[in-house]
Amino acid sequence: NAGVTQTPKFQVLKTGQSMTLQCAQDMNHEYMSWYRQDPGMGLRLIHYSVGAGITDQGEVPNGYNVSRSTTEDFPLRLLSAAPSQTSVYFCASSYSPSNYGYTFGSGTRLTVV
Amino acid sequence: DAKTTQPPSMDCAEGRAANLPCNHSTISGNEYVYWYRQIHSQGPQYIIHGLKNNETNEMASLIITEDRKSSTLILPHATLRDTAVYYCIVRFPHQAGTALIFGKGTTLSVSS
Repeated sequence: NAGVTQTPKFQVLKTGQSMTLQCAQDMNHEYMSWYRQDPGMGLRLIHYSVGAGITDQGEVPNGYNVSRSTTEDFPLRLLSAAPSQTSVYFCASSYSPSNYGYTFGSGTRLTVV
Repeated sequence: DAKTTQPPSMDCAEGRAANLPCNHSTISGNEYVYWYRQIHSQGPQYIIHGLKNNETNEMASLIITEDRKSSTLILPHATLRDTAVYYCIVRFPHQAGTALIFGKGTTLSVSS
């Protein structure tokens, strides 16, 4: 099925652990982004990419790394998890943001204890 | 990106039109107005966008004032499933930083 797939859907980490949130799309979209959403808050941009090999920082990049080796995948790495990174993470992709908007995944709910 | 101002919440009766306003008084000539919504716990969903002309699709209509300083998203016959947070975003379509920046949006509550 075409769309944005995020894995895992739920994750609990201990403080200091590292992990990778996966994001994959099969729509050949060049533009991909990662957001976090804290309870009762709006979405905040973490990192984004305009194509394979090209990434840039968003509003809240600290504590996160990204890479874009293929068009399909845009993983988000938490280097050393902290309780402040407890959040819901959304990945989004677009073929042409100006004309078609972004398609969002269903989210990964991360708890850091 | 131009800043936007939206009311924090609105109510609407089921079957009636929901009119969600957005103020973007500092919008530049080539910036577009985009609308997204987020239903509880789900990822945001693109609704519609426009530059200066009114736009309509299967989900909604977008009315942009002649001076482009404000716009209104219209859901013609709101249903309970339209209860969501609605985000108005103003941005250049081909700017280098192409990712969306979300504000706090308007929480629309549709009741029967």
